[in-house]
Amino acid sequence: KAGVTQTPRYLIKTRGQQVTLSCSPISGHRSVSWYQQTPGQGLQFLFEYFSETQRNKGNFPGRFSGRQFSNSRSEMNVSTLELGDSALYLCASSLGKGSYEQYFGPGTRLTVT
Amino acid sequence: DQQVKQNSPSLSVQEGRISILNCDYTNSMFDYFLWYKKYPAEGPTFLISISSIKDKNEDGRFTVFLNKSAKHLSLHIVPSQPGDSAVYFCAARVDRGSTLGRLYFGRGTQLTVWP
Repeated sequence: KAGVTQTPRYLIKTRGQQVTLSCSPISGHRSVSWYQQTPGQGLQFLFEYFSETQRNKGNFPGRFSGRQFSNSRSEMNVSTLELGDSALYLCASSLGKGSYEQYFGPGTRLTVT
Repeated sequence: DQQVKQNSPSLSVQEGRISILNCDYTNSMFDYFLWYKKYPAEGPTFLISISSIKDKNEDGRFTVFLNKSAKHLSLHIVPSQPGDSAVYFCAARVDRGSTLGRLYFGRGTQLTVWP
């Protein structure tokens, strides 16, 4: 079974631009979560989608948004990029109901200059 | 507010010895705990988990212990191998209410296993 895939793997953007990251979950998984990892920090929860509905949201500004499609694929968008948004963005999928383990993709390394 | 804490940023252990990674939490509502391993340039890999109704779970060389009264869990790796060198993250979740599906992570402990 194919794992979680994320595209692109690396991205360089300029402050003020916007960016869209994509995540394809493991086949059959209906829940997709997004996390931000910065140096010295753990994984900071952004949001979680289940069956196209946002079920949870972390403490990030409204510039961070996401959505999930009917095939469970998910996208995350960051508008008006700031230097502090430079991070590794990780996507994780799980079955969503009755399943506790989340399986992570390799991440997208975003650099904002 | 860091609800899951890993107070040791690094741990160095000789090959063949036991590695013990510790994790503390503050939220008594957590009812499921997980450990992840992360190599550079890769996403975290699920390692082992434990439900709050248990106090121990084993999987090969990996054992997780949970002490609910102390709000503490630990991951034991026996014997440690050089390939175990990675960052280990402790995570927890509440399985009901508005935070269903969300994992709370610690900041990680860098384990180095030397020959």
